[in-house]
Amino acid sequence: EDQVTQSPEALRLQEGESSSLNCSYTVSGLRGLFWYRQDPGKGPEFLFTLYSAGEEKEKERLKATLTKKESFLHITAPKPEDSATYLCAVRGGSEKLVFGKGMKLTVNP
Amino acid sequence: DADVTQTPRNRITKTGKRIMLECSQTKGHDRMYWYRQDPGLGLRLIYYSFDVKDINKGEISDGYSVSRQAQAKFSLSLESAIPNQTALYFCATSRSSGRSEQYFGPGTRLTVT
Repeated sequence: EDQVTQSPEALRLQEGESSSLNCSYTVSGLRGLFWYRQDPGKGPEFLFTLYSAGEEKEKERLKATLTKKESFLHITAPKPEDSATYLCAVRGGSEKLVFGKGMKLTVNP
Repeated sequence: DADVTQTPRNRITKTGKRIMLECSQTKGHDRMYWYRQDPGLGLRLIYYSFDVKDINKGEISDGYSVSRQAQAKFSLSLESAIPNQTALYFCATSRSSGRSEQYFGPGTRLTVT
């Protein structure tokens, strides 16, 4: 059974304080690891897809990396507008996405 | 205009009532999905459809049914709503490639009293 575990469940940062979010996964035949951002009361917004170990993708202050067992979402010099819940999901051979429970990030000014 | 729309956005209903949630998309995607989101449990798949003639149960399909009326429309029904179906419901779409990301609608907040 495909599984995703995100840690920490919640994280508070000061503006400019860089950190990383962890997504550990077990999957049979990885066909993609996905990161989403979700603001309160809204649908998840797609950020990145990673397909193989060693792959990295960047968007503004966010950088996602992938190993064979986990993915990290690195946030560099975060701003208050980066506050959101970040979701990680994997797709294996079943072609269905399995989501983690999410990580709520709060960035204080 | 939003690529994936859901109606209604908010709904309060009583136990035992039948309710339908609707999803429409203009992205031209073949695949559509229904999820529910509960605090502390994350997103869970209810039903999914890879094309108009293909509908499949997800992780938590009991108490729900779906209809794929057209490529662009996918509706979710609760035949007899119960309080533990109170949740946020999201529709999503994706291209046919197994490696494609999913795009989500804005969600429907459903409360069953």
